[in-house]
Amino acid sequence: QVQLVQSGAEVKKPGASVKVSCKASGYIFTTYAINWVRQAPGQRLEWMAWINLSNGNTKYSEDLQGRVTITRDTSASTVYMELSSLRSEDTAVYYCARERFREWDYWGQGTLVTVSS
Amino acid sequence: QSALTQPASVSGSPGQSITISCTGTSSDVGGYNYLSWYQQHPGKAPKLMIYDVSTRASGVSTRFSGSKSGNTASLTISGLQAEDEADYYCTSYTTRSTYVFGTGSKVTVL
Repeated sequence: QVQLVQSGAEVKKPGASVKVSCKASGYIFTTYAINWVRQAPGQRLEWMAWINLSNGNTKYSEDLQGRVTITRDTSASTVYMELSSLRSEDTAVYYCARERFREWDYWGQGTLVTVSS
Repeated sequence: QSALTQPASVSGSPGQSITISCTGTSSDVGGYNYLSWYQQHPGKAPKLMIYDVSTRASGVSTRFSGSKSGNTASLTISGLQAEDEADYYCTSYTTRSTYVFGTGSKVTVL
């Protein structure tokens, strides 16, 4: 069965970086893109980024441009999301989601990133 | 990119029908049929309910239906049940090749 398993919770200080992983299984890794979505406590979902797993092409939210980087390791069927220059407003649950064709049919369990001094 | 506009809350009694609206612009909702709806229960990951405006995802009850007119999409839940109580988000592909979510709607079953 299709599964997306994310890395565990992180606590970071302001100004630091965080790297969250998303390991896919149950399907051919490069067939579908992966998106990253985050949700601050009590807030709405926010789209962050997209990566085409067959060629590595990426697209980022303009609101996060320059701070977010998405990479892949096809040999490990894993996608990584790195967010730099962290601030308190980046405290959120981060999700990876498989994109079938403009819709996201499978989601990771979420990773809580807390930014606090 | 501004969020799509949804009502903050929608409520109904068991068995009733409710409709959640999702309003955007010609650069997102009005420009594409790549409009999806997600259900999210507290502390859980979102679940795909509707995609391509009106196609139900696998395993989703026929009580859920979607439509679109111009820059506004709608999700209708008929025969409301207690298990439908959750947050609902619309999302649309945009002309910038990005995605934008709605502001989210909390559905309460009275």
